[in-house]
Amino acid sequence: AQKITQTQPGMFVQEKEAVTLDCTYDTSDQSYGLFWYKQPSSGEMIFLIYQGSYDEQNATEGRYSLNFQKARKSANLVISASQLGDSAMYFCAMRYQGGKLIFGQGTELSVKP
Amino acid sequence: DSGVTQTPKHLITATGQRVTLRCSPRSGDLSVYWYQQSLDQGLQFLIQYYNGEERAKGNILERFSAQQFPDLHSELNLSSLELGDSALYFCASSPKGPGRTEAFFGQGTRLTVV
Repeated sequence: AQKITQTQPGMFVQEKEAVTLDCTYDTSDQSYGLFWYKQPSSGEMIFLIYQGSYDEQNATEGRYSLNFQKARKSANLVISASQLGDSAMYFCAMRYQGGKLIFGQGTELSVKP
Repeated sequence: DSGVTQTPKHLITATGQRVTLRCSPRSGDLSVYWYQQSLDQGLQFLIQYYNGEERAKGNILERFSAQQFPDLHSELNLSSLELGDSALYFCASSPKGPGRTEAFFGQGTRLTVV
């Protein structure tokens, strides 16, 4: 069965520093997709970054990068140069079986000034 | 703005009642997904529709049902509501096709059952 694990319920980071949010996954599928979403206190789910299981290079989107280690089944999100507006819940998710997503429990990131 | 529209944004209703949540997907997206986010269960997949037909079911209660109409908007019907149904309900849409079919989420409907 598919599973996403985020082991950090909460994280603190100093403004302008980089932070890594951990995500491990479990699946027996060969083809899958990994996503990170941001959920600010207002509640909406904002897509950040995507990594396909066959992508050889790590995905990057601006200040976000995904450290994809397929053999270890990990897909960590790296946020560089943290900003106060990055304070939010972050969810790792995996796409399987036609497009539905399974989510981890989330990591609450707090950026300190 | 993701392009996915959900109405209403907030809903307060009493136990035993029935409500309908509405979702308009992004223009051209054929797939609609419904998710429930609650404090104890986290984010859970409920059901998927593709071009009007049910494609997949997740942890959706029998009291809940959904449909997708010819214009591709979708409705999630929740009946005989219980206190535990209080949650944030998301709709997401994605286009047909392989590759990076990320789901774009609406702003959610926050349901409070009192």
